[in-house]
Amino acid sequence: ELKVEQNPLFLSMQEGKNYTIYCNYSTTSDRLYWYRQDPGKSLESLFVLLSNGAVKQEGRLMASLDTKARLSTLHITAAVHDLSATYFCAVVPQYNAGNNRKLIWGLGTSLAVNP
Amino acid sequence: ETGVTQTPRHLVMGMTNKKSLKCEQHLGHNAMYWYKQSAKKPLELMFVYSLEERVENNSVPSRFSPECPNSSHLFLHLHTLQPEDSALYLCASSQAILWATNEKLFFGSGTQLSVL
Repeated sequence: ELKVEQNPLFLSMQEGKNYTIYCNYSTTSDRLYWYRQDPGKSLESLFVLLSNGAVKQEGRLMASLDTKARLSTLHITAAVHDLSATYFCAVVPQYNAGNNRKLIWGLGTSLAVNP
Repeated sequence: ETGVTQTPRHLVMGMTNKKSLKCEQHLGHNAMYWYKQSAKKPLELMFVYSLEERVENNSVPSRFSPECPNSSHLFLHLHTLQPEDSALYLCASSQAILWATNEKLFFGSGTQLSVL
């Protein structure tokens, strides 16, 4: 069964601190997405990572992809309260006869940044 | 209006009711999706439409019936639902079908459905 596992599922951190969210996946893929969801709101695309070693940064968030380890990280630098949200990773499996051609989602990491 | 809009935002219905969820995208996209978001479960893809044709139906019970009259509108018709169908139903769109390209999904805010 194809799985995407995020770690941790819940994270409470102080403003100004750094932290990393991990996304492991169980199938070969060269495309991984990170999304953000604020309570009661839609999911917003943050990053699309397309190849091994890809790194993308937007403000205090930086995402990277290691396709050999089947691992993506979302690093938060000097967190601020506005980053409080749920962060999802999702993977597109490389097509083969055993795969459904759809995004496989993690459960999400609920992040609370406290003053 | 911009992006992807969904109505209603909240819906409470009995198990014998019939209701419909509506989604409209203002992005000129050709693919539209219905997802179900439940607590402690990954997002579940329900239906995919590309150029108004259904291309994916992930073993969804027949009490959920999608309709895509044109590339901008998507409906989810509901009838004789069960309490376990209570969830957030999200609509999304993309320029082209997601797995064939490097597209990203644009989501609506969802309809929070409660089945009593």
